[in-house]
Amino acid sequence: EVQLVESGGGLVKPGGSLRLSCAASGFTFSSYSMNWVRQAPGKGLEWVSSISSSSSYIYYADSVKGRFTISRDNAKNSLYLQMNSLRAEDTAVYYCARVAKGGWGDYWGQGTLVTVSS
Amino acid sequence: DIQMTQSPSSLSASVGDRVTITCRASQSISSYLNWYQQKPGKAPKLLIYAASSLQSGVPSRFSGSGSGTDFTLTISSLQPEDFATYYCQQSYSTLRFTFGPGTKVDIK
Repeated sequence: EVQLVESGGGLVKPGGSLRLSCAASGFTFSSYSMNWVRQAPGKGLEWVSSISSSSSYIYYADSVKGRFTISRDNAKNSLYLQMNSLRAEDTAVYYCARVAKGGWGDYWGQGTLVTVSS
Repeated sequence: DIQMTQSPSSLSASVGDRVTITCRASQSISSYLNWYQQKPGKAPKLLIYAASSLQSGVPSRFSGSGSGTDFTLTISSLQPEDFATYYCQQSYSTLRFTFGPGTKVDIK
């Protein structure tokens, strides 16, 4: 059974940092690209960042470029999102999702809440 | 960047109704269009991929159509468990995805 479990969310002050993790199981993690997608309270889905299976290709939404860093450790079946210089508008539930070959997110984690507030 | 729009932004319908949601891309995306369902407090769930392919386990009352810039998600007979928010997403730009703003389907 495919499972994605996010962790690392919490309350952080503006300007602070946080590192999210996504533990994957039930599939060959090293064969899939992965996504981070977020959802601010009461808002829609926003794609944040993607990383290819071997980390050769990495992309970010303009809203987080230069502040967030996506990475993965295929030996540990884990995906990460390092978030620096956090702003109030980064407050959201952050989901990790597996990217199928055609580019759709076929499995999603349950999400982890990040709250940026003083 | 490819922009996605959806219409309507919300709709009210009754159980048994046929429901149609439209998604439009700012440029041609061939058939690289996917649909998700999200219920409050839950992660999105993939319904339709590649414009018209039904994800495993998804009821056949859900269907998708379209190509190029205009796409449609249809629920042939709305069930109580279908009240949710629906999002389209383009995957034409490799690993640079865009979601539509969502369509909330609630009970009339």
